Amino acid sequence: GENVEQHPSTLSVQEGDSAVIKCTYSDSASNYFPWYKQELGKRPQLIIDIRSNVGEKKDQRIAVTLNKTAKHFSLHITETQPEDSAVYFCAASPSGGSNYKLTFGKGTLLTVNP
Amino acid sequence: NAGVMQNPRHLVRRRGQEARLRCSPMKGHSHVYWYRQLPEEGLKFMVYLQKENIIDESGMPKERFSAEFPKEGPSILRIQQVVRGDSAAYFCASSPTDDRLNTEAFFGQGTRLTVV
Repeated sequence: GENVEQHPSTLSVQEGDSAVIKCTYSDSASNYFPWYKQELGKRPQLIIDIRSNVGEKKDQRIAVTLNKTAKHFSLHITETQPEDSAVYFCAASPSGGSNYKLTFGKGTLLTVNP
Repeated sequence: NAGVMQNPRHLVRRRGQEARLRCSPMKGHSHVYWYRQLPEEGLKFMVYLQKENIIDESGMPKERFSAEFPKEGPSILRIQQVVRGDSAAYFCASSPTDDRLNTEAFFGQGTRLTVV
């Protein structure tokens, strides 16, 4: 089955700096890659997603890049703010199944220091 | 739209008891997905249901766990004879369709199960 590795597990940055979180996946047929933000004790919320037919997608301060050949994708947050502090999860949709049978990475705890 | 509603938010059960977790999808959503999140872990897919049908239960443990999504009422995740290892946060998500052009899944707030 699909396996998603996520790095780093923790990331601390100063307010205003950029943050980058990287994920790799194993199933070359995966074609949908969402990123979720989860604040402590709250639900995961989709912040951005990308499909395998595009290499990059941007939404204000958040961008995601995808390299299908290398099977890795990354989340980029620019001009970080303290409210960006949360756990971020990447995920991949394995081949042949519902887009919601997602395989998640183990998460990155992002701390933005004021 | 109240979003995906899960209850209870917190559930404490003694070993050997049954746990019943409920999920009401967003209005208009007919697809429900259950995920389990162990402490400091990512979410792991358990089961995908449509009304009165289990579509994919490949992530469900073979014993003690069952799920249903009846024609009327919420989806239920049932765990029989709970053990300490069942302690986790259980999240439900829903979507209106499996259409690959409209794929966002909306998660509920989760039920945090503690087995003592």
